[in-house]
Amino acid sequence: SQQGEEDPQALSIQEGENATMNCSYKTSINNLQWYRQNSGRGLVHLILIRSNEREKHSGRLRVTLDTSKKSSSLLITASRAADTASYFCAPTSNQAGTALIFGKGTTLSVSS
Amino acid sequence: GAVVSQHPSRVICKSGTSVKIECRSLDFQATTMFWYRQFPKQSLMLMATSNEGSKATYEQGVEKDKFLINHASLTLSTLTVTSAHPEDSSFYICSATLGGSSYEQYFGPGTRLTVT
Repeated sequence: SQQGEEDPQALSIQEGENATMNCSYKTSINNLQWYRQNSGRGLVHLILIRSNEREKHSGRLRVTLDTSKKSSSLLITASRAADTASYFCAPTSNQAGTALIFGKGTTLSVSS
Repeated sequence: GAVVSQHPSRVICKSGTSVKIECRSLDFQATTMFWYRQFPKQSLMLMATSNEGSKATYEQGVEKDKFLINHASLTLSTLTVTSAHPEDSSFYICSATLGGSSYEQYFGPGTRLTVT
């Protein structure tokens, strides 16, 4: 697996607003995953988008993938205070079951 | 869903002692588990890949004699920090996959190690 680079590093918004974070990577992938980490906790898998998909939805999450630009975005709509966490992308070019490499993530703060 | 637990959640030990951290897959078998370390406000750093029934594969710069990994069963991997020092204080997180064609990883809640 390769390390993705998330941008911005930090994002502060008000409840109800949308939050968009981006991920760039360097080489071709099989799929790309997004994970969330609440402070002092482990990571939680949010969504996986395959290289032949361009957009995927899960509840208030919308993920896009542009393989030509080697980038992905995660949109959280109608954010809540509970969405406050760090978000990491994990581009995967290896076979299933290999380790994930994480970048610095995007730290999202949602204030009420 | 797939659940991974870690024990203990927090541990404080004195410099020079050893600490064992357990990682268990509660409702699935995991032939492979991964160990990460995370320093405050930093990302997760992969330490090693733990394979059931065989030796772990360590990342460059991780001392295998200091961080002993044992994956003796399909549901349990242990990380032992030997002769711990204050600089080993960190947040240790394990993860596991369902295997097969599954790419998703399931993470434990982490273990906060403080070495005094």
